[in-house]
Amino acid sequence: GNSVTQMEGPVTLSEEAFLTINCTYTATGYPSLFWYVQYPGEGLQLLLKATKADDKGSNKGFEATYRKETTSFHLEKGSVQVSDSAVYFCALSARKTSYDKVIFGPGTSLSVIP
Amino acid sequence: SAVISQKPSRDICQRGTSLTIQCQVDSQVTMMFWYRQQPGQSLTLIATANQGSEATYESGFVIDKFPISRPNLTFSTLTVSNMSPEDSSIYLCSFRRTASTDTQYFGPGTRLTVL
Repeated sequence: GNSVTQMEGPVTLSEEAFLTINCTYTATGYPSLFWYVQYPGEGLQLLLKATKADDKGSNKGFEATYRKETTSFHLEKGSVQVSDSAVYFCALSARKTSYDKVIFGPGTSLSVIP
Repeated sequence: SAVISQKPSRDICQRGTSLTIQCQVDSQVTMMFWYRQQPGQSLTLIATANQGSEATYESGFVIDKFPISRPNLTFSTLTVSNMSPEDSSIYLCSFRRTASTDTQYFGPGTRLTVL
């Protein structure tokens, strides 16, 4: 079945460090791929998405490229800030009958220290 | 984009009681969803709630335990019935504008603790 796998956390980085959170997926067809972010005590916010192979989603300095050949959608940011501390969820949208069901990865907790 | 709100934001309940969570979207949307997020875990879809039809439940979730209403295109409720400590979770409401759009938006969540 369809699934999403993420690198295990927690991840702790110093401010201005480079961030990579790995995400790989298993799906039939051509799913859309997403990164959601959950700040402490809040719901999920859509961070970025990509809908087809080689698309790059980007937002707030984060970016991820849809790599169909490696079934990956790794999240990157060149210089993290303390305010980026949150849990990041990789997700895919896979068709379930008449609509696309979103399947979430387990989440990766990121802590950025000054 | 639409604003989505939930009430209550948090609650502490006694075992055996029920709690109804309300979800309000500030514009009409086709599809609404309810998710559970257990402590330190990812999101699990409970059910899909479309206006004018009964909710569709995922495997492991039943209507008697999690009755859902969807009276119009901007509102839905989820009731957690006969609660036990295992029901302590964050419950999240979510929507899509139409069935053909792939992006979902989430409410702030309801943090439930059952004693």
